[in-house]
Amino acid sequence: EAGVTQFPSHSVIEKGQTVTLRCDPISGHDNLYWYRRVMGKEIKFLLHFVKESKQDESGMPNNRFLAERTGGTYSTLKVQPAELEDSGVYFCASSQDSANPSTDTQYFGPGTRLTVL
Amino acid sequence: AQSVTQPDIHITVSEGASLELRCNYSYGATPYLFWYVQSPGQGLQLLLKYFSGDTLVQGIKGFEAEFKRSQSSFNLRKPSVHWSDAAEYFCAVGPYNFNKFYFGSGTKLNVKP
Repeated sequence: EAGVTQFPSHSVIEKGQTVTLRCDPISGHDNLYWYRRVMGKEIKFLLHFVKESKQDESGMPNNRFLAERTGGTYSTLKVQPAELEDSGVYFCASSQDSANPSTDTQYFGPGTRLTVL
Repeated sequence: AQSVTQPDIHITVSEGASLELRCNYSYGATPYLFWYVQSPGQGLQLLLKYFSGDTLVQGIKGFEAEFKRSQSSFNLRKPSVHWSDAAEYFCAVGPYNFNKFYFGSGTKLNVKP
């Protein structure tokens, strides 16, 4: 079974440009999460999708960030325009059934390292 | 406020030695606790989780963790470290439905030969 995949693995852009990150969750997982880790700090929650609906977007830093999950499969996270402080590693995770803690877990992708110059 | 503290940023141990990574949490409800590991170039891999029952939890790769409610701690242990355990370890706490994890800032483990 394929794990969570993310593309690209690295992205280097100039301040003011736009970047789109993509996440493909594990097939059949309705729950999809975005997290971000800024240089050496904790991994912080950004938002949570259930299928195509945003369940919780309380962690989104500001309106320069837009997440979508059309059709309830893969998700994109767009940063427009990018600022220096957006640099970090963006992780995506997916889970199947968030109502059963004995069997459920969040599976994480390898992350996208974003550098804004 | 919900938070997780991993007080050790870097730890170096010799191969074969025992390991304990510390994790303290602050959480306003019943905590569900996790340890993840990230090896270079890899995603975060779940080592173990605690959600109820026995407070000593066994995980993969020979790791275990003990939940101590009175100390708000969930320390990770391994009796004998292998060179392949060199990685970064993250402690996390979340709600019963796993919808929003709070992570610590990670502990980088270096293993000396």
